[in-house]
Amino acid sequence: ELKVEQNPLFLSMQEGKNYTIYCNYSTTSDRLYWYRQDPGKSLESLFVLLSNGAVKQEGRLMASLDTKARLSTLHITAAVHDLSATYFCAVDMLPSNYQLIWGAGTKLIIKP
Amino acid sequence: SQTIHQWPATLVQPVGSPLSLECTVEGTSNPNLYWYRQAAGRGLQLLFYSVGIGQISSEVPQNLSASRPQDRQFILSSKKLLLSDSGFYLCAWSTGGITEAFFGQGTRLTVV
Repeated sequence: ELKVEQNPLFLSMQEGKNYTIYCNYSTTSDRLYWYRQDPGKSLESLFVLLSNGAVKQEGRLMASLDTKARLSTLHITAAVHDLSATYFCAVDMLPSNYQLIWGAGTKLIIKP
Repeated sequence: SQTIHQWPATLVQPVGSPLSLECTVEGTSNPNLYWYRQAAGRGLQLLFYSVGIGQISSEVPQNLSASRPQDRQFILSSKKLLLSDSGFYLCAWSTGGITEAFFGQGTRLTVV
């Protein structure tokens, strides 16, 4: 069965702290995507990781991909309240180029 | 640039009533189109996807159907809504060789 597992599913942290969200997947894939969803809103694409060792950074967020370990991480540096959201990872359902397999999401709450 | 329009934003419908949600994409040709549903506090469930006009793939058997009458138009329908159809419905598109999906604003459907 194809699975994408995120860990943790819920995270409450203080501003200024660092933390990492993990995304493990069971399928053979070298494409992974991170999305952000604010409460009551749609999903926004954050990062597209297309190869082993890929690393992308945007502000206080950094995503990386290890296709051999089938693991992606989303690292938050010096968290600020504005980063509070639910973060989803998704993996291409190869060999199809049409479908994504989604993680359950990590709800991140950053307290002042 | 590409944009995606989804409407309505919110909808309250009685049980047994019909449903029609519409999604259109601008600025791209032959996109892959998707309908997702998200229950409150949960992850994404792929309902339908389409890789071309008239081509619909269903992922979950239910009382919903989808149609793609034009290249950039995707419609989600039901003849008779159930209480369990309540949720947040998201339309998305992707194109090219990667499956990065871009989402519409979503429709919050409440069946009463």
